[in-house]
Amino acid sequence: GAVVSQHPSWVICKSGTSVKIECRSLDFQATTMFWYRQFPKQSLMLMATSNEGSKATYEQGVEKDKFLINHASLTLSTLTVTSAHPEDSSFYICSARENLNNEQFFGPGTRLTVL
Amino acid sequence: SQQGEEDPQALSIQEGENATMNCSYKTSINNLQWYRQNSGRGLVHLILIRSNEREKHSGRLRVTLDTSKKSSSLLITASRAADTASYFCAPHSGGYQKVTFGTGTKLQVIP
Repeated sequence: GAVVSQHPSWVICKSGTSVKIECRSLDFQATTMFWYRQFPKQSLMLMATSNEGSKATYEQGVEKDKFLINHASLTLSTLTVTSAHPEDSSFYICSARENLNNEQFFGPGTRLTVL
Repeated sequence: SQQGEEDPQALSIQEGENATMNCSYKTSINNLQWYRQNSGRGLVHLILIRSNEREKHSGRLRVTLDTSKKSSSLLITASRAADTASYFCAPHSGGYQKVTFGTGTKLQVIP
C-alpha cells in the first residue's frame, strides 16, 4: 500500500514550451501533496505544498507563475512548468500525505530536460 | 518541518561487507522512512519504521530506531555493487509537519 506514482518518468522538451507532471496517490487519499526539486548531486528542496481544492503554498524564492500547481482531486496533483528554460532542467519529486494517518510518501520523480 | 541528517556523507566498502548509515533528527517523530536513490534515478522506498518500533527487517536491510537518541540506522548486509546509491532518511513528526531531506549518505560498493 501507500504508493505514489508520477507521470511521466522523464521528459525532454524545447525551450519555451510548457510541461505538465502528474502525481497520483494510487491507494490512498491525499488532501495535501508536496512538490520537491532536486538539482544534480544535491538534496531535495521543497518547492510548494499543494492542497486539494485550494491554492498551493509556495516556498520562498519559487515563482508561482512559473510552476503552476493544480490539486483537483484527493488522488491527483499536477505541476506545470510554464515556458520552460534550460535552467528548469531538474528532477521533480512529489510526495503525498495520507489522510488517514498523515504519513507522507514520495513518488519516484520525473526528470525534466529542457533543450 | 522535520529534516533528517544522514551520516556519514559518503561510504565506500567492498562487495560482501556490511554497510551502516545513520540518521539523526531533532524533534519527536511519528515514523521514519528510508529511501534509496541511484545516480540520476528516482527515489525508491525501502522501509518505514514507526515510533513504537525498535527494529525492522526487509531482506538484507535492517533498520533500528532509538527515539531516546532521536536516531535511526540502516544496515545493509552482504552488500552488492547494485546497492551503490545515495540513501536518505525521512523523519516524519506526524500531523501537518512537512518532511525535508538531508544530503544523504552516498554508498559505493566496490565489486
